[in-house]
Order: sequence, then structure tokens, then C-alpha cells
Amino acid sequence: SSELTQPPSVSVSPGQTATITCSAAALPKQYAYWYQQKPGQAPILVMSKDTERPSGISERFSGSASGTTVTLTISGAQAEDEAVYYCQSAASISGSVIFGAGTRLTIL
Amino acid sequence: QVQLRESGPGLVKPSGTVSLTCVVSGDSVSSNKWWSWVRQPPGKEPEWIGEIFHSGRTNYNPSLKSRVALSMDKSSNQFSLNLTSVTAADTAVYYCVRGPVPFDSWGQGTLVTVSS
Repeated sequence: SSELTQPPSVSVSPGQTATITCSAAALPKQYAYWYQQKPGQAPILVMSKDTERPSGISERFSGSASGTTVTLTISGAQAEDEAVYYCQSAASISGSVIFGAGTRLTIL
Repeated sequence: QVQLRESGPGLVKPSGTVSLTCVVSGDSVSSNKWWSWVRQPPGKEPEWIGEIFHSGRTNYNPSLKSRVALSMDKSSNQFSLNLTSVTAADTAVYYCVRGPVPFDSWGQGTLVTVSS
């Protein structure tokens, strides 16, 4: 099992706010990153260093961090946001890159 | 705009070696970046394999370190992965990626199936 814990699934209606969490003991000391992956495509970076939105990513995406949990928030979720979202950070002992198991976001 | 493209055999026999190459365009492998390989088994999360810098320095996932070797050909602007002693558990889509973290550019990925 991954050191990064994510809920397997989140469902929201169009226009609602979706929140996806990622928890790990090391997160207060390590940055987290978020990737969006749609079927058959490579992951895309949607959030960097907990709260920094990369250029070209919709302003509907925001990030926050508190203690051992980081959160990706998608405000006014749209059908195009339906995807699997992975958090990524560093392993607590080795410092190696690790990914969470992913959260499937469904727009009902 | 940087582009990465993986190439290599799509089918490898058990106990064999996965050998993949990533050709980079729009950036130089000699730049101040680290170049990584990430794989993703069907239906599972991505797994970082390792990274290489133009100096030749490498870092590997501890779980794969004994079977992995990364190399770089600066003249061809490409880098490569060798993963030895493969089993069915190594079946995955393999991506080449620009780093260091965060991974801002990914190749399209190439499916490698380990089967006899």
C-alpha cells in the first residue's frame, strides 16, 4: 500500500465543488503535487508544491495543505474534470518519488 | 515546447530485459533537468523507476534498484532504460518524463507486456 492515502472515489454534480485529499505523516515536511489522468492519456500536472497552479491550468483548481493532509479542490466541477487524480510526494525514509493510489472523480 | 517519445519492444519474455529509449525534442538532455522513467501497471498508480542527470548521476527507486540501469546519449538527445530479469509484474505502460519533481512533461507512454 502507498504511503500516500487518497480516497478511492469522489462524486459531485456539475457545478459543485470537489475536494480530494491526500494524507501522509511526511507531508508537513515534503511538498505534494497533483496529477490528472484521463483514460489512455499521460498524467498532467495540475498542482505543484501544495498550492501552486501551473501555467495553463484552470483557476477552478486550487490546493491547500494542513498538517498531514493536502487537498486538491475543484470549484464548479465540469464534465471535463472527470479523471483519476494522483498525489505525489517523497517517501519518508528513502526520499524516493512516490504516488498515491489515485482518486477517481466522477461528475454525476 | 518539450516533447518526449518512448520507443522499444512491446513484448518481452519472462527473465528478459526491457530496453526503452526516449528521444527528447524542444529541450536538451544536457540542460539543468533530471530525466526520469515512470511506469504504470494496468489499472494502478504510477511508479517512479529512476532518474538521470547529464553528469551521469542517477537515482533509482529502491524497490527496483537491483534491476535498473539508466543511461544517456547526449549526442542524440536521448536517454534509455534497461530493466532486467522481468516478470509479468513488470507489465506496464512506461513513460519517460522531464523532472526533477514536479514532472511537467511526459511522453505518450509505451505498453510493455511481459509474456512468453
